[in-house]
Amino acid sequence: DVKVTQSSRYLVKRTGEKVFLECVQDMDHENMFWYRQDPGLGLRLIYFSYDVKMKEKGDIPEGYSVSREKKERFSLILESASTNQTSMYLCASSPFDAGRSYEQYFGPGTRLTVT
Amino acid sequence: KQEVTQIPAALSVPEGENLVLNCSFTDSAIYNLQWFRQDPGKGLTSLLLIQSSQREQTSGRLNASLDKSSGRSTLYIAASQPGDSATYLCAVRIGGSSNTGKLIFGQGTTLQVKP
Repeated sequence: DVKVTQSSRYLVKRTGEKVFLECVQDMDHENMFWYRQDPGLGLRLIYFSYDVKMKEKGDIPEGYSVSREKKERFSLILESASTNQTSMYLCASSPFDAGRSYEQYFGPGTRLTVT
Repeated sequence: KQEVTQIPAALSVPEGENLVLNCSFTDSAIYNLQWFRQDPGKGLTSLLLIQSSQREQTSGRLNASLDKSSGRSTLYIAASQPGDSATYLCAVRIGGSSNTGKLIFGQGTTLQVKP
């Protein structure tokens, strides 16, 4: 079974702090994704990565950056956390797929609260 | 721009009932459609994946259909049980600037099955 794990289930940070959210997958997938989920807005793509050190912006990248130094690990970084970044953050992975037919596998999520 | 809509937003049924959840999308140019389940405060669990060339997929009591030309998918749940209570999300995979494509999510249908 594919396993996607996230470093924390719940996280509370203060405004202005630098925040790291970590995601690890154990299936040697090339693609990894970060989403945030908010009531009324659904899931929105922040960033994704299709290879080590490669990244692309999603729909809402402002205020975030990412790092992928190893294939299995994809980090989401909030350079200076703000209250409007309070949300549920979900990581996902999928195999490389030129036909774009593979499904995405999701982690358990990190509930981040910024006070 | 692709938009995904799920109706109804919430549904409450007695145990044992068969039910249908609806998903519609505005652009038929999709690679696949995926149905997910999300329990409160948790991540997403993939239920079924339908490729664009397929008409339906089945897993246990679940059956998902896809009509690309009309931009519709349905998730049929047979003999519902209280354990089926969750939010059900559909997502379509569309092309993107890289090899990954991207998922566009609906807002979800929250299902409650009463004993």
